[in-house]
Amino acid sequence: DGGITQSPKYLFRKEGQNVTLSCEQNLNHDAMYWYRQDPGQGLRLIYYSQIVNDFQKGDIAEGYSVSREKKESFPLTVTSAQKNPTAFYLCASSGPGRGLFFGSGTQLSVL
Amino acid sequence: SQQGEEDPQALSIQEGENATMNCSYKTSINNLQWYRQNSGRGLVHLILIRSNEREKHSGRLRVTLDTSKKSSSLLITASRAADTASYFCATDGNNDMRFGAGTRLTVKP
Repeated sequence: DGGITQSPKYLFRKEGQNVTLSCEQNLNHDAMYWYRQDPGQGLRLIYYSQIVNDFQKGDIAEGYSVSREKKESFPLTVTSAQKNPTAFYLCASSGPGRGLFFGSGTQLSVL
Repeated sequence: SQQGEEDPQALSIQEGENATMNCSYKTSINNLQWYRQNSGRGLVHLILIRSNEREKHSGRLRVTLDTSKKSSSLLITASRAADTASYFCATDGNNDMRFGAGTRLTVKP
């Protein structure tokens, strides 16, 4: 079955630590996206990538980094510079002119 | 900044009634999409309407788009308790999909 997989489902970060959230898709989609969702809020765009080895900052990129070395993978690193990282993180992918397919999300909390 | 803004923020109706949610956006778009999210889950794509379309149907869903007013509406007819969820509009302006804050719909049995 084609789909998009995020891992882990829950993640805890200690102060000063970098953590990486995984996002893998086997839909052969070129475009991939990372969003942050705070409780009761909408989605805010962190980073997006339209093609391998290229990505652009979204509205809230500070404190985050990404890479797109493979078409299937778009990992997100939450760095120690992100002072308020507790949130629900959603990864998505899409084909041209199509809707987004979302993963099931990663809940990140600070210890 | 969020591109779309949904209205109302919350909506509570009885099963069998229709639910209408509105979305306004700021800049030109290629298409507008509606999504549903059940609590703690990823979003599910419902329907996409292109900028040159005015109305689209999918089952119990009807979406309209008015590009002159930069607004869209989502109508869910004959609602069911299972329709209880948050609904978001998203705009695709430059291949950077941006979402509004959502409408929380509660359908009472």
